[in-house]
Amino acid sequence: GMPVEQNPPALSLYEGAESGLRCNFSTTMKGVQWFQQNHRGRLITLFYLAQGTKENGRLKSTFNSKERYSTLHIKDAQLEDSGTYFCAVASSGSWQLIFGSGTQLTVMP
Amino acid sequence: EAAVTQSPRSKVAVTGGKVTLSCHQTNNHDYMYWYRQDTGHGLRLIHYSYVADSTEKGDIPDGYKASRPSQENFSLILELASLSQTAVYFCASSVDNQDTQYFGPGTRLLVL
Repeated sequence: GMPVEQNPPALSLYEGAESGLRCNFSTTMKGVQWFQQNHRGRLITLFYLAQGTKENGRLKSTFNSKERYSTLHIKDAQLEDSGTYFCAVASSGSWQLIFGSGTQLTVMP
Repeated sequence: EAAVTQSPRSKVAVTGGKVTLSCHQTNNHDYMYWYRQDTGHGLRLIHYSYVADSTEKGDIPDGYKASRPSQENFSLILELASLSQTAVYFCASSVDNQDTQYFGPGTRLLVL
């Protein structure tokens, strides 16, 4: 299977709602990076984690290397949060980032 | 925030023609990368560089060359553009290979 899988592939939320995105990987990874790709195609770096949890405003991300997953939690969703969210992981055997296929988030008024 | 710029932002090329995509960063990062993104998919690494005058192959280097004439500049070269190279190309830079990568705005390439 794919080394990096993201779930769900698509998600719709109403403004003010919250939800989580998940990134599963097949082998031990040493770091994860989350991006938002906005409607103009621009990639915005949200987080880089080598372990634990980071929080920034309405976003929170966790990385569990042992259980092989990372999550991105969005609370109080806003219209501008719409876009595609990618996780990218760095494997223990290589530094190169491997991207998931993304979760397309639509926030509705 | 790291500043990574790309030019051109979009380009239409003919099959068999030569295409050069440029990337410039102003943050003294040693590492620079070129990725391609196909519609509805994540990014795949084409070439990267960790020092000027040196480039390395990524996961999908076939059909592409790279050039790193200085720390700030990293180019991706398609000597003979093909239809399958239609994609969006992203450049990125980082302090080292363990650090956050900062991405440019992307270049949309259409090969006809």
